Amino acid sequence: ILNVEQSPQSLHVQEGDSTNFTCSFPSSNFYALHWYRWETAKSPEALFVMTLNGDEKKKGRISATLNTKEGYSYLYIKGSQPEDSATYLCAFVRNQFYFGTGTSLTVIP
Amino acid sequence: DAGVTQSPTHLIKTRGQHVTLRCSPISGHKSVSWYQQVLGQGPQFIFQYYEKEERGRGNFPDRFSARQFPNYSSELNVNALLLGDSALYLCASSAAGGSTDTQYFGPGTRLTVL
Repeated sequence: ILNVEQSPQSLHVQEGDSTNFTCSFPSSNFYALHWYRWETAKSPEALFVMTLNGDEKKKGRISATLNTKEGYSYLYIKGSQPEDSATYLCAFVRNQFYFGTGTSLTVIP
Repeated sequence: DAGVTQSPTHLIKTRGQHVTLRCSPISGHKSVSWYQQVLGQGPQFIFQYYEKEERGRGNFPDRFSARQFPNYSSELNVNALLLGDSALYLCASSAAGGSTDTQYFGPGTRLTVL
């Protein structure tokens, strides 16, 4: 069984705070890591596809880094806004997509 | 452009029945994947199809089957429903189904088995 872990499980932050969460995955046979944002009652939305050790991706106030040698990726949100409230999922890709259980972010106005 | 569409939105079935879920991918996408998401867990991979051929299968019993049609739409079939099959079933499409291809998800079908 391939384990993808995300921490923390949930997070409450004040509007304007910056935050980050972690996705841990096996460090061997790495192909790709995907990040998704999943808002309530909507479809999961792709954020980043990361493939190379040391990759850094950015989309507005959200950025992600990748360390394939130690098996983790960080997702950062700078200056959180209420519209950032969602569950953030990572998926480790080998022969299939293996999703973590997600980090639920609530941004309090 | 239309995104990934799934039907029906919600479904209630009883144990032992059969169910068919449908998915239409984004135009031009040739790969469709199916996932089961149970509350509190991440989506679990069920099947991937590419060009009408099964490319991958997750750890699900033979009661689960799928197919992809010439227009790249897909059906997921579940036979002999169990209470534990109650879940959100997500469909995702991508251009070629590769590990670095972005997957685009549909809104899901919520299946309740009574």
